[in-house]
Amino acid sequence: SQTIHQWPATLVQPVGSPLSLECTVEGTSNPNLYWYRQAAGRGLQLLFYSVGIGQISSEVPQNLSASRPQDRQFILSSKKLLLSDSGFYLCAWSKGLSLDTQYFGPGTRLTVL
Amino acid sequence: QQPVQSPQAVILREGEDAVINCSSSKALYSVHWYRQKHGEAPVFLMILLKGGEQKGHDKISASFNEKKQQSSLYLTASQLSYSGTYFCGTGGGFNAGGTSYGKLTFGQGTILTVHP
Repeated sequence: SQTIHQWPATLVQPVGSPLSLECTVEGTSNPNLYWYRQAAGRGLQLLFYSVGIGQISSEVPQNLSASRPQDRQFILSSKKLLLSDSGFYLCAWSKGLSLDTQYFGPGTRLTVL
Repeated sequence: QQPVQSPQAVILREGEDAVINCSSSKALYSVHWYRQKHGEAPVFLMILLKGGEQKGHDKISASFNEKKQQSSLYLTASQLSYSGTYFCGTGGGFNAGGTSYGKLTFGQGTILTVHP
């Protein structure tokens, strides 16, 4: 069966510090991968998605970036965090795009102080 | 565009029914429903595809009306475990070359609270 991991689970970072969140998927190959951000009490905002190694599509202009160095690894990064970057970051995977179910990881709760 | 969910919040007593609606301003090819408990990741409930189908399991079912570009989630005889935020995600279908395109776009969520 497929499983998706994210780490760290929680993170508190000062403004201006760098960020690296990691997501890995097990039990499947060539997954489509997604990064979402969820502000407190809000909906799911798609940040990036990837259909293959090295292929990244950005949905929202921001100071975040994503990379996919391996088939089942997806990384979310920032060089300098802003207060507005605080939120719940969710990684998800699917076999395809719009017609396939997305399965979410446990999430990383980021607080920028 | 983001689909619109209604109502934004609903409060029920155990055993009562609820309906959550998800409407889109553009053509829908698929609708995915998720439930998220506080502090946890969204959990997939069901997917409905173009064709006006209905689906359900246990006491949760959904319908998809492609002409009206909307989907509805029906929760019957609600249980305490149904509490959470429900999201619909809409998909864009396929391009002319037959390749799936269009990511899921999620609604803003409906907060469902079930009291004893």
